[in-house]
Amino acid sequence: DARVTQTPRHKVTEMGQEVTMRCQPILGHNTVFWYRQTMMQGLELLAYFRNRAPLDDSGMPKDRFSAEMPDATLATLKIQPSEPRDSAVYFCASGLFPGELFFGEGSRLTVL
Amino acid sequence: AQSVTQLGSHVSVSEGALVLLRCNYSSSVPPYLFWYVQYPNQGLQLLLKYTSAATLVKGINGFEAEFKKSETSFHLTKPSAHMSDAAEYFCAVSRNSGNTPLVFGKGTRLSVIA
Repeated sequence: DARVTQTPRHKVTEMGQEVTMRCQPILGHNTVFWYRQTMMQGLELLAYFRNRAPLDDSGMPKDRFSAEMPDATLATLKIQPSEPRDSAVYFCASGLFPGELFFGEGSRLTVL
Repeated sequence: AQSVTQLGSHVSVSEGALVLLRCNYSSSVPPYLFWYVQYPNQGLQLLLKYTSAATLVKGINGFEAEFKKSETSFHLTKPSAHMSDAAEYFCAVSRNSGNTPLVFGKGTRLSVIA
């Protein structure tokens, strides 16, 4: 059963620490998205890739966030340094036109 | 630009009653429209999608939605609510399916009362 896999599922860290979240998209999907979910803002698009090339990362705070796809099986989202306001659930989703988007179960980040 | 407005952040229905979750969209191009469901501590799961074919779309778990261009709406309905339907529901819009970002509404939490 194909699925998007995200790690870690839960992360608690202290302010100032580096956080890396990983995503394994569904094999064959050519588009990968990173979303952030908070109570206040709902689901916000942070970045997305097509065929591993970044297409839009305007939703990310550039000074501390970075997103990459080192290969077709791995997408990463890094926060350095982390801040309490980064506490949220981060979702990765993958898709292949004209199919649907499949979401991972999310990485819940708590920054103390 | 595209946007979605979901009317009502919380809807409560009795078990067996009609479920109606409202969604209005704004799009400068013919939209693709989606409803997703999120259960606690889980990711989003696609319920149904409109991709310019039939205006009445049937999805999983007995849900359906009707695309009404004149009203710019895509409301989600289910004739009879079940306890297992309690979840957060998100309406989303995009330019196409599977290849461009989804723009999500704020979500509607559905509670089902026994």
